[in-house]
Amino acid sequence: GESVGLHLPTLSVQEGDNSIINCAYSNSASDYFIWYKQESGKGPQFIIDIRSNMDKRQGQRVTVLLNKTVKHLSLQIAATQPGDSAVYFCAENIRGFQKLVFGTGTRLLVSP
Amino acid sequence: DADVTQTPRNRITKTGKRIMLECSQTKGHDRMYWYRQDPGLGLRLIYYSFDVKDINKGEISDGYSVSRQAQAKFSLSLESAIPNQTALYFCATSDSAGTGGQEQFFGPGTRLTVL
Repeated sequence: GESVGLHLPTLSVQEGDNSIINCAYSNSASDYFIWYKQESGKGPQFIIDIRSNMDKRQGQRVTVLLNKTVKHLSLQIAATQPGDSAVYFCAENIRGFQKLVFGTGTRLLVSP
Repeated sequence: DADVTQTPRNRITKTGKRIMLECSQTKGHDRMYWYRQDPGLGLRLIYYSFDVKDINKGEISDGYSVSRQAQAKFSLSLESAIPNQTALYFCATSDSAGTGGQEQFFGPGTRLTVL
């Protein structure tokens, strides 16, 4: 696969552990946030989203937490599996701009 | 079948050549985007289009041009390729009519190498 994110921060976990990936966003006017997963050789895939009027949203094995006070977003993955190994990006939509701004990503490595 | 397709998937070219990357979507979305991805820099927006008659520059549009030939097609051109345009290029789409957020759907990417 391509060398996406040679210098990305990396989180290494054991299979079955819970993973927490963090993201700091920059703009207090951001009103919508998305987490994407990018596997080697593929484009980013949507995982979960959250609007700024919420603090928490849950999906299947994933939870996104939003702390607007400190402009922090986190993605929690329960019972992490080897198939979760990928690069994870957060993205923010700044109200009025109608474009997403992406973070640089975090590489998650899951060992069996 | 893929909803967002990109051609070619891989391309090696020489400095000074004109290159076109193509994107097609079957999602019926009105909005389309071109990004480039470099190691450690995440996704950066090159150009975007909110409908067939709308073209907007992103944060790194210099050296690139685009054409929105139809709602389903959005092509990216490098008029005279240079080595620092070596990168992964992604096309994405989104739907302005939805009641959800601005989720974007990505194609599989084109790896471009400029020698």
